[in-house]
Amino acid sequence: GENVEQHPSTLSVQEGDSAVIKCTYSDSASNYFPWYKQELGKRPQLIIDIRSNVGEKKDQRIAVTLNKTAKHFSLHITETQPEDSAVYFCAASKLWSMRFGAGTRLTVKP
Amino acid sequence: DTGVSQNPRHKITKRGQNVTFRCDPISEHNRLYWYRQTLGQGPEFLTYFQNEAQLEKSRLLSDRFSAERPKGSFSTLEIQRTEQGDSAMYLCASSTRTDPLYFGPGTRLTVT
Repeated sequence: GENVEQHPSTLSVQEGDSAVIKCTYSDSASNYFPWYKQELGKRPQLIIDIRSNVGEKKDQRIAVTLNKTAKHFSLHITETQPEDSAVYFCAASKLWSMRFGAGTRLTVKP
Repeated sequence: DTGVSQNPRHKITKRGQNVTFRCDPISEHNRLYWYRQTLGQGPEFLTYFQNEAQLEKSRLLSDRFSAERPKGSFSTLEIQRTEQGDSAMYLCASSTRTDPLYFGPGTRLTVT
């Protein structure tokens, strides 16, 4: 089955800096890659997603890039703010099957 | 219908007891998932329903776990003879073929 690895497990940045979280997946048939943000005690919420026919997608301060050949994708957050502090999960999906990475705890220091 | 709902939100049970959780997906969503999440980990896949059919079940799921979605709407997850290792957040999510997964608030299970 699909295996998703996520790095780093923790990331601390200064407010205003950029943050990058990287994921790799094992199943070359995976074709959909969402990113979820989970604040303490709350449900995971989708922040951005990308499909395999696209190499990059941007939504304001967040962007995701996908390298299908290398089977890795990354989340980029620019101009980080304290409210970006949360746990971020990547996932890889084919058909209905979605598997998640272990998460990255992002801390943005004011 | 504002989103996925789950009940109860918290459940404390003694080891060996049976527990049942309920998930009500977004009404037009035919896909329903159960995940388990422990502290510091990502959601771990348990099982998947498309309408009323259970199409995939994690091989890590012991036979103490069973899930149903009898009419293709709400779903229940039952854990029999609970063990302390079952303590976790149980998340339900729903989607359509083209929509992303939307998660419910979860049921936090504590086995004492």
